[in-house]
Amino acid sequence: DGGITQSPKYLFRKEGQNVTLSCEQNLNHDAMYWYRQDPGQGLRLIYYSQIVNDFQKGDIAEGYSVSREKKESFPLTVTSAQKNPTAFYLCASSIAWDRGRKLFFGSGTQLSVL
Amino acid sequence: GENVEQHPSTLSVQEGDSAVIKCTYSDSASNYFPWYKQELGKRPQLIIDIRSNVGEKKDQRIAVTLNKTAKHFSLHITETQPEDSAVYFCASADGLTFGKGTHLIIQP
Repeated sequence: DGGITQSPKYLFRKEGQNVTLSCEQNLNHDAMYWYRQDPGQGLRLIYYSQIVNDFQKGDIAEGYSVSREKKESFPLTVTSAQKNPTAFYLCASSIAWDRGRKLFFGSGTQLSVL
Repeated sequence: GENVEQHPSTLSVQEGDSAVIKCTYSDSASNYFPWYKQELGKRPQLIIDIRSNVGEKKDQRIAVTLNKTAKHFSLHITETQPEDSAVYFCASADGLTFGKGTHLIIQP
């Protein structure tokens, strides 16, 4: 399914709970990204990683955490510190050192608060 | 990081007419200019891109033009069809910044 898989498709979070969104790719891409999409806001960068065991904060990293222990995997944890987590979350990957990064997206996870 | 600004936020055209969406960027050293299309409930997908060494690129009914002096690039869709209805995004060369999107509506 396009080489990049996100799960689950829908996720519900209770107040005070941490939840983890999965992102796996088999495209052999070095770089991976997490974006948050709200209606009318476009895509906003949460975190990105250009290589295993390294990642950088994006514009809206507060309340989120990531890890990059394997090239294929870049999970995103939405912590209880994120007070407004309801959004559509998109994971993407690309070749890291290309002078222009063509992004390949997963199908997204819709997170809602119970 | 680089800024990109996209206009208009909503564009409604009659089926068969042309549509143009413009994206302005801030980094004069930028060398890659992509456009993504996101249909309702689906993932964004790259539909066309251009490098800084060319001024225009076409792929059937879609084209991208680049004006490096004015620091903007535009998406052109000709002979619009119902399946062109979607949200279109421009992005920075490094993929870290996206425009806020243009909702293209094709009127029958």
